[in-house]
Amino acid sequence: DQQVKQNSPSLSVQEGRISILNCDYTNSMFDYFLWYKKYPAEGPTFLISISSIKDKNEDGRFTVFLNKSAKHLSLHIVPSQPGDSAVYFCAASEGSSNTGKLIFGQGTTLQVKP
Amino acid sequence: DADVTQTPRNRITKTGKRIMLECSQTKGHDRMYWYRQDPGLGLRLIYYSFDVKDINKGEISDGYSVSRQAQAKFSLSLESAIPNQTALYFCATSGLTGTSGRGAYNEQFFGPGTRLTVL
Repeated sequence: DQQVKQNSPSLSVQEGRISILNCDYTNSMFDYFLWYKKYPAEGPTFLISISSIKDKNEDGRFTVFLNKSAKHLSLHIVPSQPGDSAVYFCAASEGSSNTGKLIFGQGTTLQVKP
Repeated sequence: DADVTQTPRNRITKTGKRIMLECSQTKGHDRMYWYRQDPGLGLRLIYYSFDVKDINKGEISDGYSVSRQAQAKFSLSLESAIPNQTALYFCATSGLTGTSGRGAYNEQFFGPGTRLTVL
């Protein structure tokens, strides 16, 4: 049973436009959410996170939005650049224990075309 | 130099063989993790360790064992490899070093991965 789902396996956008990557979760106990980015032949790298007490967190071109009632989060990249082409994983953590136990989604491959 | 290293980077083995994947870190983190990545399934947690004497099973620990030899080293063993253990394996670390507040342990640093093929 997939508790964190990324229903779009791939997304293609034009350079300079907005990329929106989506993630849904089912466990209402999740209270911390993260996005990781992965290039081929490398490990994932942390990108941005959000606590459930917030509905938005912004870091440069990257913004994560959280809709707790819909159990949905999204990552916006504006403007998109060819170097953003990678696999993006959303992840969730349960409770306030800050244990580092993360549940990952399946990943979405983003292609930004020049 | 990389903060989290994994050896080997690639390994092909046969069914029934014992395999050990090794992970070392220079970040000074207390927590270490092993994940596997399969197409369409994302990353799944195999084992995690809060410190040298605290090791815990993750989602998919069956068929695997781990050893935390030191704070900086965490190895994953497949006692008798089987073909459905063919996957990309990642080690990760996290800690409070250089960070503060909530969520620090969730911000994990990953190694480059080991591609394991079991024939």
